[in-house]
Amino acid sequence: DAMVIQNPRYQVTQFGKPVTLSCSQTLNHNVMYWYQQKSSQAPKLLFHYYDKDFNNEADTPDNFQSRRPNTSFCFLDIRSPGLGDAAMYLCATSLTYRDRGSNQPQHFGDGTRLSIL
Amino acid sequence: KNQVEQSPQSLIILEGKNCTLQCNYTVSPFSNLRWYKQDTGRGPVSLTIMTFSENTKSNGRYTATLDADTKQSSLHITASQLSDSASYICVVSAGSNYQLIWGAGTKLIIKP
Repeated sequence: DAMVIQNPRYQVTQFGKPVTLSCSQTLNHNVMYWYQQKSSQAPKLLFHYYDKDFNNEADTPDNFQSRRPNTSFCFLDIRSPGLGDAAMYLCATSLTYRDRGSNQPQHFGDGTRLSIL
Repeated sequence: KNQVEQSPQSLIILEGKNCTLQCNYTVSPFSNLRWYKQDTGRGPVSLTIMTFSENTKSNGRYTATLDADTKQSSLHITASQLSDSASYICVVSAGSNYQLIWGAGTKLIIKP
């Protein structure tokens, strides 16, 4: 089945130690998104790639970076994690959102739960 | 300010009963409205997407309605099952871009 896969499901890192979360997709979608979701809150968009074009949200801290080496893979790098970065990180994809593609659904992975010691 | 408000915040019903969740939005320009189901510890799963011209859309036991005039939507769940226990999130798309305005969700618990 085509899907969005996130690894690992659970990640523990130390305060200030860089960490990378990964996401892969078999849907061949143009767009890949990264969301941060804290307990009992709605997901918050951090950034997204439309093909190779990176789009950062204005309020995303510089501590968060992303890479998309090819269509299938996207990475979230947290350079110096703080206690406030403990959260569920969700990767999502959509075929497009431009023109008539605005009604395309987003397909989510099951997330990586990040804990900071 | 673009906002999506959901009610109730949480709901407990008995298995087999029906329920209706509400979503009110103030989003402009409006492109579409989505309902997602999110199981605990999992990613959201799309249930329905409705555009301005669609009044109702069904997905199995889930039926979403949209009143674009009053800017209200509802999600009706028929004959609830234990597996329906989850958070249900209303999301409104503003314009033709990727901007999605998320509601805080309704946490639904189905008891046997």
